[in-house]
Amino acid sequence: ELKVEQNPLFLSMQEGKNYTIYCNYSTTSDRLYWYRQDPGKSLESLFVLLSNGAVKQEGRLMASLDTKARLSTLHITAAVHDLSATYFCAVDIRGNNRLAFGKGNQVVVIP
Amino acid sequence: GAVVSQHPSRVICKSGTSVKIECRSLDFQATTMFWYRQFPKQSLMLMATSNEGSKATYEQGVEKDKFLINHASLTLSTLTVTSAHPEDSSFYICSARAGTGGADTQYFGPGTRLTVL
Repeated sequence: ELKVEQNPLFLSMQEGKNYTIYCNYSTTSDRLYWYRQDPGKSLESLFVLLSNGAVKQEGRLMASLDTKARLSTLHITAAVHDLSATYFCAVDIRGNNRLAFGKGNQVVVIP
Repeated sequence: GAVVSQHPSRVICKSGTSVKIECRSLDFQATTMFWYRQFPKQSLMLMATSNEGSKATYEQGVEKDKFLINHASLTLSTLTVTSAHPEDSSFYICSARAGTGGADTQYFGPGTRLTVL
């Protein structure tokens, strides 16, 4: 069974500082997704990482994938309040778009 | 980007009744749609994969007779929760995949919050 673990599950960030959140998964997969969810809302796609060493950046967020370590990181640069949300990573089960999600990283950015 | 809608966005029903939730891809054809449920402050759990014109594939532990899925067209999939009970109260989210390639992005609907009294 594919397991996806995210940590920390909760992170309080200070505005202006840099942070990294982590996503580990248990079996081989070369396709990893990051999503953002605001309270009571659905998921917004942030990044799709398709190969070992993939790095993608959008604004203050940068995601990377190390398939050998089965690890993805989401780096937040100079955190701002608008980035407060829960961030989910998901791994493709057997390459057929069935996704296994982690429990999410709940991020709160405080002034 | 691609848009996926769900209807209704919120539904409250009595125990024992059935509830139908619709998932539509508005500006693309979706050969495959997925249904997830999310309990408060929990992750999304994949319930089933819905393919147009064929039977849905259910994940282990999901009762196919309780959660009926119909993918009638390339833009519409429906999830019917039959004989709903309070423990079925949850946030149900669908997603739709454009194209048939393995790396296609899934686009998520806004979700339907079901409350069973």
